[in-house]
Amino acid sequence: GNSVTQMEGPVTLSEEAFLTINCTYTATGYPSLFWYVQYPGEGLQLLLKATKADDKGSNKGFEATYRKETTSFHLEKGSVQVSDSAVYFCALSDFSAGGTSYGKLTFGQGTILTVHP
Amino acid sequence: DAEITQSPRHKITETGRQVTLACHQTWNHNNMFWYRQDLGHGLRLIHYSYGVQDTNKGEVSDGYSVSRSNTEDLPLTLESAASSQTSVYFCASSSGVTDTQYFGPGTRLTVL
Repeated sequence: GNSVTQMEGPVTLSEEAFLTINCTYTATGYPSLFWYVQYPGEGLQLLLKATKADDKGSNKGFEATYRKETTSFHLEKGSVQVSDSAVYFCALSDFSAGGTSYGKLTFGQGTILTVHP
Repeated sequence: DAEITQSPRHKITETGRQVTLACHQTWNHNNMFWYRQDLGHGLRLIHYSYGVQDTNKGEVSDGYSVSRSNTEDLPLTLESAASSQTSVYFCASSSGVTDTQYFGPGTRLTVL
C-alpha cells in the first residue's frame, strides 16, 4: 500500500536559517504529492502540491520538487521566519492512478518546526 | 466564502456514551473525509464518502460510523466511546475533480 515517511522531528531553527524537511514515499501508480501546514490550534492548509514527476510546487517561499527516481518530495525554504513555526505534513494522493481514484490522502507523521528570533 | 466547519470544537465525554461530531461544508464538494490526528501517527483516515448515500471505511474505522444524507454534511458517530478514541478529529472535503482537500478546524475529543 501507499506510505509516506517524513524526517524525524522536531526541528528547531533560528530566524533566516535554511530549512529542509525530508519526505519519501511508496506508492503504486502516479500519485500527486502535497505539503500541508498546520498552525497551532488550526486545521491543515495546503502549502503546495505537485502532480507529476519533475514538477516543482512553490508557495510563500517554500519549494518542493517531485523526484520520481528517488521517490522524494523534500520541502525547502531559504530563510525561515518565526511565523513559519508550525507542523508540516507530507502527503500523497493516488488520484491519478488510472483516473479511477478520488483522492484519498496518505499522510506522513508530521514534522514540528520551531523558529526562534 | 465557502468553508468547512466542525462542531463542537471541544468535547468531553464518558466511556460508553454515544458521541456525534458534525461536519458541514459549503463548497458543494462531492468527497468528504474524516481523519483522526494522534502524536506520532500523523493523520489517519477513518471514513470517507464520494457522494450522497455513499460511505467507505478507512484504515481506522472500528468503533466509528458515518452517514451521508446530503452533499453538505458528514457526521461522525462514535457508537460507544472508548478512551483510545481520545484524539483530535478533522473533517475534509474535495471536489473529486482535483485531489486537493480542504480541512475544517478540528474537534478535540476527550473520553474519560
